[in-house]
Amino acid sequence: EAQVTQNPRYLITVTGKKLTVTCSQNMNHEYMSWYRQDPGLGLRQIYYSMNVEVTDKGDVPEGYKVSRKEKRNFPLILESPSPNQTSLYFCASSSGFGTGELFFGEGSRLTVL
Amino acid sequence: GIQVEQSPPDLILQEGANSTLRCNFSDSVNNLQWFHQNPWGQLINLFYIPSGTKQNGRLSATTVATERYSLLYISSSQTTDSGVYFCAYLSGTASKLTFGTGTRLQVTL
Repeated sequence: EAQVTQNPRYLITVTGKKLTVTCSQNMNHEYMSWYRQDPGLGLRQIYYSMNVEVTDKGDVPEGYKVSRKEKRNFPLILESPSPNQTSLYFCASSSGFGTGELFFGEGSRLTVL
Repeated sequence: GIQVEQSPPDLILQEGANSTLRCNFSDSVNNLQWFHQNPWGQLINLFYIPSGTKQNGRLSATTVATERYSLLYISSSQTTDSGVYFCAYLSGTASKLTFGTGTRLQVTL
């Protein structure tokens, strides 16, 4: 089954404790991206990647890092999480950049205390 | 940027009723998609519909790109249809999806 898989789905952590949200897709998609969703602000793009070793900032990259060492994986790293990073995070992938359907993971609900 | 307006913002239906959700754009858009966000927060792809009409079970969608709108039809609604429905378009820069404000649907028994 074609899917985008995120882990963990739910996480409660404390300020400053590094964490990684993993994202993996099995559709051989070149393009992957991360979004966060907050009440009243909608979904905002954090980072995106056009292919292996090619990443760039989205609209809200501060406090996040990403890497794309393999085509299927695109982890989101919070080096020193803060309470304002409490949010619902989504990973997405598509077959092409600037075109095509975007497929989303199930979301990761992160709470930073 | 292009403005995306969805209507109605809120909708309450009795199970079995039909509804039409609308998405208007301030300019031409590409790669239009419709999503359903269920009460657990999951974003579910409904349609990828840059133009024309598609149907999937009780749902169908129509995009008239030249007139800058898209419609989502829900027939014989069920309680599992509850949630928020978003339309979104892909902007070339960063291949980013820009979402509308959503229509919150509640289907009651």
